[in-house]
Amino acid sequence: GAGVSQSPRYKVAKRGQDVALRCDPISGHVSLFWYQQALGQGPEFLTYFQNEAQLDKSGLPSDRFFAERPEGSVSTLKIQRTQQEDSAVYLCASSLVADGEQYFGPGTRLTVT
Amino acid sequence: AQKITQTQPGMFVQEKEAVTLDCTYDTSDQSYGLFWYKQPSSGEMIFLIYQGSYDEQNATEGRYSLNFQKARKSANLVISASQLGDSAMYFCAGGSNYKLTFGKGTLLTVNP
Repeated sequence: GAGVSQSPRYKVAKRGQDVALRCDPISGHVSLFWYQQALGQGPEFLTYFQNEAQLDKSGLPSDRFFAERPEGSVSTLKIQRTQQEDSAVYLCASSLVADGEQYFGPGTRLTVT
Repeated sequence: AQKITQTQPGMFVQEKEAVTLDCTYDTSDQSYGLFWYKQPSSGEMIFLIYQGSYDEQNATEGRYSLNFQKARKSANLVISASQLGDSAMYFCAGGSNYKLTFGKGTLLTVNP
């Protein structure tokens, strides 16, 4: 079956621009996660959804970051007024249950110039 | 919250030999899970193996096994019969409920 997909795979934004990153989880997966992975580091948790409810957004670095999953499937991570420090790979993952193994998408590499 | 430590930035192994990648964790939670993921140069994180804190047996998945020593708070990954395709970054992760914390990773290089 289809895995987690993310689009776009690469995004270049000028500082100050808004960006929107999309995640299509595995069908039927209730839990959805966003992570940020800086170069040479492990992924860092950003936010967690169970169905359409955002249960934890404690990892979002600032109020410029916003995530939604309005119908409990596709999710969008939006970054407003991008800064250079936002440059990273943004990974989306989904799982069947909250504490189960998470399946990751290929990521979106964001470069802010 | 979990803290995950991977002390080996890089490891080398000869093809067909076994290799152990180290991972220690620190948590005050009673119930937690430990995971290993592989990240090839293509960037996708691939789930390898899972160990629950209450599991008495070490987890195994094909050529992967997890050497779980609860008293030492370690969850080392053992890869047997290494293959060239095993060359990648390997991340240890741990968490309770839904929130995973990842280590900094170990870059494994398999030499022919």
